[in-house]
Amino acid sequence: NAGVTQTPKFRVLKTGQSMTLLCAQDMNHEYMYWYRQDPGMGLRLIHYSVGEGTTAKGEVPDGYNVSRLKKQNFLLGLESAAPSQTSVYFCASKKGTNEQYFGPGTRLTVT
Amino acid sequence: LAKTTQPISMDSYEGQEVNITCSHNNIATNDYITWYQQFPSQGPRFIIQGYKTKVTNEVASLFIPADRKSSTLSLPRVSLSDTAVYYCLVGLPMNRDDKIIFGKGTRLHILP
Repeated sequence: NAGVTQTPKFRVLKTGQSMTLLCAQDMNHEYMYWYRQDPGMGLRLIHYSVGEGTTAKGEVPDGYNVSRLKKQNFLLGLESAAPSQTSVYFCASKKGTNEQYFGPGTRLTVT
Repeated sequence: LAKTTQPISMDSYEGQEVNITCSHNNIATNDYITWYQQFPSQGPRFIIQGYKTKVTNEVASLFIPADRKSSTLSLPRVSLSDTAVYYCLVGLPMNRDDKIIFGKGTRLHILP
């Protein structure tokens, strides 16, 4: 199993540009999450999903949208990137218990 | 959601036992306590989970007193590779609409 994978690993955007981050998991997990982590900080929950076709807001959802059209994929979109969205983005999934499995992260810089 | 409080940082030496305490005064009856470890440039990974008393696995032990208002993660004989951020989480293990919120964690630095 590949576990949780994230695409891309690195990206540089200009202010106002849009992009989509892809998270994929091959463990048949129901729950999926997107977090952001700023330097020296803990993880902050952006959006999450408890199943295919469902999404919900986390702690810091503004400026982001998500979709869960397939159970194995969770997409995070930035419609108009801002420098404040420069961060490392982590995706995670889990199946029922509190143990989350995390991806390797996507490092995004917005100039 | 039960809020947790941990020390911001800790230093220790190789070979020592390290104990990191987490306070969660408003833990709910059905909440479990979970600890994660995060190495630089990596996503967090699960270490241990418990509900009460003591849980031990190959990596760590988790001590939870009877009132469950705090918990202690114990790492035996640490090495340089245990330098990481450790997060304490409190929440339900089996529930829909399960937001899992991380705090700032404890930055553990192991010295030679």
